[in-house]
Amino acid sequence: DQQVKQNSPSLSVQEGRISILNCDYTNSMFDYFLWYKKYPAEGPTFLISISSIKDKNEDGRFTVFLNKSAKHLSLHIVPSQPGDSAVYFCASGTSGTYKYIFGTGTRLKVLA
Amino acid sequence: NAGVTQTPKFRVLKTGQSMTLLCAQDMNHEYMYWYRQDPGMGLRLIHYSVGEGTTAKGEVPDGYNVSRLKKQNFLLGLESAAPSQTSVYFCASSTGRQPQHFGDGTRLSIL
Repeated sequence: DQQVKQNSPSLSVQEGRISILNCDYTNSMFDYFLWYKKYPAEGPTFLISISSIKDKNEDGRFTVFLNKSAKHLSLHIVPSQPGDSAVYFCASGTSGTYKYIFGTGTRLKVLA
Repeated sequence: NAGVTQTPKFRVLKTGQSMTLLCAQDMNHEYMYWYRQDPGMGLRLIHYSVGEGTTAKGEVPDGYNVSRLKKQNFLLGLESAAPSQTSVYFCASSTGRQPQHFGDGTRLSIL
């Protein structure tokens, strides 16, 4: 029973356009959400997070949107760059614990 | 500027052998974590530590033990390796309850 789902295994986007990566969760107790980026043969890199008290958080080219009623979050990358090509993981959990559930990842390819 | 360093990067074991994976961080972080990543699955938390001398079970702790004798080091042990423990293992550290900085992983194969 996957509590956190990334239903798109892969996504291709043209350089300069917007990349939208999606993540769904099932546990209504989750109130903190994170996105990570991972290059091959490296560990994940933390990108951005959002608390359930917000519906949007922005950091440079990266914006995370949270729709609590739909139990859905998305990561927008604008504009997309070839260096953004990586696997993106979302993670969800309850802020009072240490146990965050990770999705299976979406492989983003930004085409030059 | 090392961050989180995992040793070794690769290892092949035979079923029943034991080994220890070492994670070292130089950021003075209180919190450290061990995850495993398997094909088609997200990272899963094995054990974590909220400070020197403390450890706690994560999502998939069975078959593993950990120790945090020094703040900068978090060791993951396999006492009797099984093929089901073939995986890529990631260590992470953070200043809070969410993992922030990850090592580059240890690829472990158990035959």
